[in-house]
Amino acid sequence: GAGVSQSPRYKVTKRGQDVALRCDPISGHVSLYWYRQALGQGPEFLTYFNYEAQQDKSGLPNDRFSAERPEGSISTLTIQRTEQRDSAMYRCASSLGTDQPQHFGDGTRLSIL
Amino acid sequence: QKEVEQNSGPLSVPEGAIASLNCTYSDRGSQSFFWYRQYSGKSPELIMSIYSNGDKEDGRFTAQLNKASQYVSLLIRDSQPSDSATYLCAVNRKAAGNKLTFGGGTRVLVKP
Repeated sequence: GAGVSQSPRYKVTKRGQDVALRCDPISGHVSLYWYRQALGQGPEFLTYFNYEAQQDKSGLPNDRFSAERPEGSISTLTIQRTEQRDSAMYRCASSLGTDQPQHFGDGTRLSIL
Repeated sequence: QKEVEQNSGPLSVPEGAIASLNCTYSDRGSQSFFWYRQYSGKSPELIMSIYSNGDKEDGRFTAQLNKASQYVSLLIRDSQPSDSATYLCAVNRKAAGNKLTFGGGTRVLVKP
């Protein structure tokens, strides 16, 4: 079956613009997670959902970052007023439930000019 | 002290040998442990999960967990050049809300 799908694969935008990153989890997966990965490092947790409920947003760096999953399936991570320090690989993962193995999408490479 | 620590490597092993990777974690409340393989420019791919003390084998991979000593290891037997990748250790602590905390990864190079 299809894996976790993220779009766009690459996003280049100017500083100050808003960006929206999309994640479509594996069908039937209840839990959805957002991570950010810098080069040469492991993924760093941002936020996660069970169904449509955001369970933990403690990893979001500041209030410019937000996420939603309104129908319990597709999720959007939004970054407002982007800054150069926001440049990174943003990864989405999903799992059947909490404490179950997480499966990652291919990520969105975000570059802020 | 980092929550999850791994030697960054590179760990160089000859083809056919055993690669041994170690990971230590700081939180005794950790309950689930995962190993991911990440090829350069690709996404992390789950290769092993382990939840209780002892060994778990899957093909050429063996994960070992010792909660008392707070370490988890991964053995790769009969290493192949295709095993050359970065291996990420990830730890899940329910009290922290089921988020995965990753180590920085160990880069493995298998030389023919």
